[in-house]
Amino acid sequence: GQNIDQPTEMTATEGAIVQINCTYQTSGFNGLFWYQQHAGEAPTFLSYNVLDGLEEKGRFSSFLSRSKGYSYLLLKELQMKDSASYLCAVRDSNYQLIWGAGTKLIIKP
Amino acid sequence: SAVISQKPSRDICQRGTSLTIQCQVDSQVTMMFWYRQQPGQSLTLIATANQGSEATYESGFVIDKFPISRPNLTFSTLTVSNMSPEDSSIYLCSVEQGATEAFFGQGTRLTVV
Repeated sequence: GQNIDQPTEMTATEGAIVQINCTYQTSGFNGLFWYQQHAGEAPTFLSYNVLDGLEEKGRFSSFLSRSKGYSYLLLKELQMKDSASYLCAVRDSNYQLIWGAGTKLIIKP
Repeated sequence: SAVISQKPSRDICQRGTSLTIQCQVDSQVTMMFWYRQQPGQSLTLIATANQGSEATYESGFVIDKFPISRPNLTFSTLTVSNMSPEDSSIYLCSVEQGATEAFFGQGTRLTVV
């Protein structure tokens, strides 16, 4: 079966750095996505990785290793508004998006 | 990018009734996707709505329970029929542009009492 694993919840301090990991086992691979979802709102796109390596976009970076079935989302200079759930999703060989359950990130002052 | 207007944003419904959720996109798209997200869980794809043909349902979801309409390339509806408390969830419509990004409506938070 297809599976995406990410931690259920993480806590970090304002101004610090946090890394949210995602491992996946899917039938084929056509890209990995990270989305941010604030409580009661729809997911919003953060990043897309299809090749190995690091993609940097401002305070957020995303890393992919296809051979390891592994990705992480790195958030720097954390702000209170970064408190949200972060969803990892993989597009499989049928181009269907397979979603992880999300990681709830709690930022403390 | 695509902007999706989804309504209602929330509703409280009596068991046994039906609710129709609407999604309007600001551009023409071939496929629209309907998801369910239960508290603390991942997005689960209900069905893919194609214009001019019947929707394609995922395992565990059937047309009688979740009828879908797709009358044109910018609009779709999902009906949750004969509701029970187990149908309480957030329902999201989504479109994709190319293979690199998915856009979501604001979501419909449904509570069945």
